[in-house]
Amino acid sequence: AQSVTQPDIHITVSEGASLELRCNYSYGATPYLFWYVQSPGQGLQLLLKYFSGDTLVQGIKGFEAEFKRSQSSFNLRKPSVHWSDAAEYFCAVRDTNSGKSTFGDGTTLTVKP
Amino acid sequence: DAGVIQSPRHEVTEMGQEVTLRCKPISGHDYLFWYRQTMMRGLELLIYFNNNVPIDDSGMPEDRFSAKMPNASFSTLKIQPSEPRDSAVYFCAVAEDAFKNEQYFGPGTRLTVT
Repeated sequence: AQSVTQPDIHITVSEGASLELRCNYSYGATPYLFWYVQSPGQGLQLLLKYFSGDTLVQGIKGFEAEFKRSQSSFNLRKPSVHWSDAAEYFCAVRDTNSGKSTFGDGTTLTVKP
Repeated sequence: DAGVIQSPRHEVTEMGQEVTLRCKPISGHDYLFWYRQTMMRGLELLIYFNNNVPIDDSGMPEDRFSAKMPNASFSTLKIQPSEPRDSAVYFCAVAEDAFKNEQYFGPGTRLTVT
């Protein structure tokens, strides 16, 4: 069965600092991978996705993620965080046969002024 | 398009009552998913439909839960009878396909069962 681990429950960074949110997955082959962001009281919004090809993918709002097969990781990065990035971030793996998604438990990002 | 519309946004009910959550999907998005989000269990897939037909309901926790999609414009998730442990945020999401496309989430319904 597929699974997703986001090791960091809560991360605090200063505005303007760089950010990396970790995501590790367990899946038998190369899955489809996604990062979503959830603001308070809102549904999830897609930041970026990876299916195949270039292992560095660019997303919206200046985010990028790198797929590393050897580490079963798909970490999310942003070079300079803005206060509006404060939210909860979810990594998800999607089974390529069934289309079912499994989400990590999320990482809450706090941005200090 | 207004996006995925869910109603009500908040629901408070007493244990034992029937609860119906509603979802109006985005036109042309043939896959519809119902998720439940809690602090303890995170975001869980309950059931999903393709072209109004339930494809996988293995995530539905108990027989008290049922979901229908009578047409492409409407879906419901019903809990009867409701219990306090059903308290959660319930999301409806849609996609053009189940695999590579983005899932568009509604704003959710926050259910509190007292």
